[in-house]
Amino acid sequence: GNSVTQMEGPVTLSEEAFLTINCTYTATGYPSLFWYVQYPGEGLQLLLKATKADDKGSNKGFEATYRKETTSFHLEKGSVQVSDSAVYFCALSDLQGGSEKLVFGKGTKLTVNP
Amino acid sequence: EPEVTQTPSHQVTQMGQEVILRCVPISNHLYFYWYRQILGQKVEFLVSFYNNEISEKSEIFDDQFSVERPDGSNFTLKIRSTKLEDSAMYFCASSRVSYEQYFGPGTRLTVT
Repeated sequence: GNSVTQMEGPVTLSEEAFLTINCTYTATGYPSLFWYVQYPGEGLQLLLKATKADDKGSNKGFEATYRKETTSFHLEKGSVQVSDSAVYFCALSDLQGGSEKLVFGKGTKLTVNP
Repeated sequence: EPEVTQTPSHQVTQMGQEVILRCVPISNHLYFYWYRQILGQKVEFLVSFYNNEISEKSEIFDDQFSVERPDGSNFTLKIRSTKLEDSAMYFCASSRVSYEQYFGPGTRLTVT
């Protein structure tokens, strides 16, 4: 079945550091890929998405590129802020395979210190 | 900006009791979902609902679970006879197009 593997956390960075959170996937078809973010005490918010190979999703300074050859969708940000502290979830959905459900990774907790 | 709301934020219930978790999806959305997250584990899909019927469900979503859209605004998840292992955070989501789901803040269910 479809699955998502994220790098284990927690990740602790200083403000203005470079962030990478690795995400790889296994899917039988051509999934759509997502990053969701969960701030403390809140629900999951869609951060960015990519629906086909080589697409780059971007939002709020975060980027991720859909790499079919490496089955990856790594999240990057050039300069993190304290306000980026949250849990980040990589996810996929296999719409072409007829499924709308999101399959999530375990989540990576990011803490950014001033 | 419109958002998905869920009530209650925290529900404590005894094993064997029925619970109903409520969600108000975004008003022009057509697809509705329930997910859950057991503490320390992945967010797991439970069920999707479109056009007043279940469109997909996971193996977790057994006969103890049911969903309903009783009116034009609410979307509910009922657990008929709760078990200890049903303790989790339950998230409702809705979408206008099926690949962009918006999540509510969740209901923490504690079964004692």
